[in-house]
Amino acid sequence: QSALTQPPSASGSPGQSVTISCTGTSSDVGRYNYVSWYQQHPGKAPKLMIYEVTKRPSGVPDRFSGSKSGDTASLTVSGLQAEDEADYYCSSYAGSNNVFGTGTKVTVL
Amino acid sequence: EVQLAESGGGLVQPGGSLRLSCAASGFTFSGYWMHWVRQAPGKGLVWVAHINPDGRTTGYADSVKGRFTISRDNAKNTLYLQMNSLRAEDTAVYYCARAGVPGALDYWGQGTLVTVSS
Repeated sequence: QSALTQPPSASGSPGQSVTISCTGTSSDVGRYNYVSWYQQHPGKAPKLMIYEVTKRPSGVPDRFSGSKSGDTASLTVSGLQAEDEADYYCSSYAGSNNVFGTGTKVTVL
Repeated sequence: EVQLAESGGGLVQPGGSLRLSCAASGFTFSGYWMHWVRQAPGKGLVWVAHINPDGRTTGYADSVKGRFTISRDNAKNTLYLQMNSLRAEDTAVYYCARAGVPGALDYWGQGTLVTVSS
């Protein structure tokens, strides 16, 4: 049950795009199309942004998109806005349990 | 409106016990898998446990297996986490969350802080 690996930080200027990677193994990310992404602002509960690798819940802007290749999933935020500055966590189903990523702090410059 | 409200957190000594509750409203509680996720101060999210809709199937992270027990009362629309043999490393904000879409947690509570310290 090791955490999925994410870069500690990422940044971009307003209007630019940022992509966050999430590396797992053939037992989690590589095996199941149940990768999700969560946004968390300081002191707040996480918010679901992407599920089943590419799907967006109602109300999530289409600036947020997800993909997966092999054991690595990615979240891309296009057209960065100030309110996108937050921590982002990936997660994957892993059979009998779930596992989260180490988290990435996105800074809007 | 879907709402999840955790309670029961607080300060407990190492080796002690605590029971967290999560009151659910705004949806058919008995129809969903439910999860507990925790976050130590300044750290990332860690999955803790899950339970199926009828309460008969549960799963735990290795770090809490044998010490924590997840349960639910569908008549009371309430999820529980019984935490025994608490350790300093269990100090965290504990969130309950609903698995409303495949493989993901679509609604979260605001969390309750558990501090394990002497």
